[in-house]
Amino acid sequence: GESVGLHLPTLSVQEGDNSIINCAYSNSASDYFIWYKQESGKGPQFIIDIRSNMDKRQGQRVTVLLNKTVKHLSLQIAATQPGDSAVYFCAEGAYNNNDMRFGAGTRLTVKP
Amino acid sequence: DAGVIQSPRHEVTEMGQEVTLRCKPISGHDYLFWYRQTMMRGLELLIYFNNNVPIDDSGMPEDRFSAKMPNASFSTLKIQPSEPRDSAVYFCASSLAVTGRNFGPGTRLLVL
Repeated sequence: GESVGLHLPTLSVQEGDNSIINCAYSNSASDYFIWYKQESGKGPQFIIDIRSNMDKRQGQRVTVLLNKTVKHLSLQIAATQPGDSAVYFCAEGAYNNNDMRFGAGTRLTVKP
Repeated sequence: DAGVIQSPRHEVTEMGQEVTLRCKPISGHDYLFWYRQTMMRGLELLIYFNNNVPIDDSGMPEDRFSAKMPNASFSTLKIQPSEPRDSAVYFCASSLAVTGRNFGPGTRLLVL
């Protein structure tokens, strides 16, 4: 029979545009968040993290925003490139232990 | 650093056979994680170790699954007997306490 799998949210952007990937997390007690990138056929790769005592953190071409009031996390990618095409996962958990929970992921496709 | 090393990268086996997946974490990392990724369920934590000791195995599906970490540089995940529903990509990851996990390339398992 037909299998039913996760239908990942999909974001399609033009090369050079900025991308915003969103994540709603579930546990208001979570105080540590990580964004991962997973390219086809590879394992997830750490991009950037943020603790709950911050609401913004910047890396190289990436910015993570945290809104604890509405339990929302976003990843902004500046000047998106074809190499950014991947599935992006957010993970939430507690900073003082290693129980991180992964979201379902968002597929980003960059059109040249 | 070679990163997390997993073997085999691909495994095809028949239902009922024993499967052993292997992982070498990054040297110096004291946490090791086993994850399973499927289209149906996404990325699931199966078990994790701290200093070679299993800390949380609540994600292990059933008694057919077992994991060991005999020393700081080696871990195995064993499925006996294997079933078609075990088909998935199995990732090993390692980390220092409270940092982002470094994932291996994964083992693609197909149980016929």
